[in-house]
Amino acid sequence: GAGVSQSPRYKVAKRGQDVALRCDPISGHVSLFWYQQALGQGPEFLTYFQNEAQLDKSGLPSDRFFAERPEGSVSTLKIQRTQQEDSAVYLCASSLWEGVRVLNEQFFGPGTRLTVL
Amino acid sequence: AQTVTQSQPEMSVQEAETVTLSCTYDTSESDYYLFWYKQPPSRQMILVIRQEAYKQQNATENRFSVNFQKAAKSFSLKISDSQLGDAAMYFCAYRSANRSGGSNYKLTFGKGTLLTVNP
Repeated sequence: GAGVSQSPRYKVAKRGQDVALRCDPISGHVSLFWYQQALGQGPEFLTYFQNEAQLDKSGLPSDRFFAERPEGSVSTLKIQRTQQEDSAVYLCASSLWEGVRVLNEQFFGPGTRLTVL
Repeated sequence: AQTVTQSQPEMSVQEAETVTLSCTYDTSESDYYLFWYKQPPSRQMILVIRQEAYKQQNATENRFSVNFQKAAKSFSLKISDSQLGDAAMYFCAYRSANRSGGSNYKLTFGKGTLLTVNP
């Protein structure tokens, strides 16, 4: 079936604007992750969902960042009052499910490149 | 907290030759998983190979193999018979295996190695 999709692929925002980034995981995938990838860096964890439950949001850099997955499928990452340091590629990944000794491949989307002017 | 270090920002290899990408990691855990991901210019991250820490045998996937040295906390990737399509950013990543909780399912990445393949 289709892979993980993200929209928009590119987003330019003026400093102070709010943005919403969408992730459509692979159908049936329980686990969903958001990562932030700054230019020239590896991805860094932001938050994790198991179905609609946000089990970990320890990587969100500030309270301006908010993520939701209300029906356990599509997820939205919202950034309020964007700042220049928020400029990055935001990657979404999904997997069947995750457990202590359960390892399923995380499939990544193409990312949304956010530029804050 | 776990850290992953890739000390080679860039590497190049001639087509059909072999190249090795280095990765070291720091952890106090005994059970974990290690991965190599490939990120072509289009940005979609693709899993290349993975290794369970409890397995002594090095993982192999076609032209890709790893050298996993648990005591040294080293996890290098060898690409044999390099092809033009192998050109990409390669990331080494770590995932915990021995505790429950959402944060332990996350991947911790290194900064990446940009591999260029010369024809």
